[in-house]
Amino acid sequence: QSVLTQPPSVSGAPGQRVTISCTGSSSNIGAGYDVHWYQQLPGTAPKLLIYGNNNRPSGVPDRFSGSKSGTSASLAISGLQAEDEADYYCQSYDSSLSGSVVFGGGTKLTVL
Amino acid sequence: QLQLQESGPGLVKPSETLSLSCSVSGGSIRSNNYYWGWIRQPPGKGLEWIGSVYFTGNTYFNPSLKSRVTISVDTSKNQFSLNLSSVTAADTAVYYCASQLGAVAGLDFWGQGTLVTVSS
Repeated sequence: QSVLTQPPSVSGAPGQRVTISCTGSSSNIGAGYDVHWYQQLPGTAPKLLIYGNNNRPSGVPDRFSGSKSGTSASLAISGLQAEDEADYYCQSYDSSLSGSVVFGGGTKLTVL
Repeated sequence: QLQLQESGPGLVKPSETLSLSCSVSGGSIRSNNYYWGWIRQPPGKGLEWIGSVYFTGNTYFNPSLKSRVTISVDTSKNQFSLNLSSVTAADTAVYYCASQLGAVAGLDFWGQGTLVTVSS
């Protein structure tokens, strides 16, 4: 049972826009801690995709965007491409767990 | 930019201690505000944070693993290490090391990961 809740799977056709939600609580996202997103392609290490809620590291296309409101956050991917098919994880910090890094359970994105 | 590389045995017997190291290149492990962490991923499952260490030696652990985990830093070798004791099959996973610019920041650089199997 992950501290942050994500849908197990989402799907979309090429060119479409999809969103992935990440729901937390008052001790993590709701407490104001930043949310970060990772993309994990099959057989590879996770890659930081969005940091600080809505910032993209150098090299990440602007098709990827993040937002946060209350106890939840979202990752949006527009202009869906076949190469976007991957697992996506949200991550934050939880003050009630001895200062822990916490992850969502992950969402499998399928490009139809 | 930072590069991280895990090393250690790929097979550990039940009840023994899993030991891994992470070598850091492209920067100093003593860099201000950088935390150094371990994350694992059981086959077919999601990511689980194990714990992190600051170059001063301060450590932070996942409460569910705290009783079995030791994380240390060796500034002379620019590397940090993980020990997980009393392992069982449930500890079989790909183990990643990663860097984190601040305790609440994202994990910006990752090692490629190393599969550790717990089996007799």
